[in-house]
Amino acid sequence: NAGVTQTPKFQVLKTGQSMTLQCAQDMNHNSMYWYRQDPGMGLRLIYYSASEGTTDKGEVPNGYNVSRLNKREFSLRLESAAPSQTSVYFCASSDKTGSSYEQYFGPGTRLTVT
Amino acid sequence: AQSVTQLDSQVPVFEEAPVELRCNYSSSVSVYLFWYVQYPNQGLQLLLKYLSGSTLVKGINGFEAEFNKSQTSFHLRKPSVHISDTAEYFCAVSDRAPGGSARQLTFGSGTQLTVLP
Repeated sequence: NAGVTQTPKFQVLKTGQSMTLQCAQDMNHNSMYWYRQDPGMGLRLIYYSASEGTTDKGEVPNGYNVSRLNKREFSLRLESAAPSQTSVYFCASSDKTGSSYEQYFGPGTRLTVT
Repeated sequence: AQSVTQLDSQVPVFEEAPVELRCNYSSSVSVYLFWYVQYPNQGLQLLLKYLSGSTLVKGINGFEAEFNKSQTSFHLRKPSVHISDTAEYFCAVSDRAPGGSARQLTFGSGTQLTVLP
């Protein structure tokens, strides 16, 4: 049981390049999330998927797209990377257990855009 | 939308001393509250959560938090810290995501706890 996995762990891009961050969970959770973490700002929600086949914008969606490929996988795409997208990206998943909406996090992808 | 304020960005404390990390949230309606810990270069791990019931919540690694509805606070405490507790700690509140179809976590900006020998 690996929980939430993310690839790659590190990535360096040049401005204007594109890339896709991959996320998979093996807990049979319905909801999946993408966050970015910047110093002094906590984690901010980029996009989320409440269930397979649906996606919605979060707090900071500009410059990103997502795909919920199936129940397990949720990818984040940067079409034209900008230095402002230098950040650590976390994927998370959750499901309602009783009244709890606890989220489980992956190890993160550290992205640098030069 | 909810907001979460962590009042201290950095908390240095000596080993075996007590510590309190402060968290205030904005909503006065029923909330679910969480504390997560992030060790260097790792993802976030749940420390404890408040859903309902007893206002004193016990978590892993000897941490506990007290929910105070009148003061909209959820402060994290540990009576005696260890070097291994050095990490960043995030308070979070669960509310409806912008599209309304799921719940999201709104995080505070984090508190870096540094335990000194």
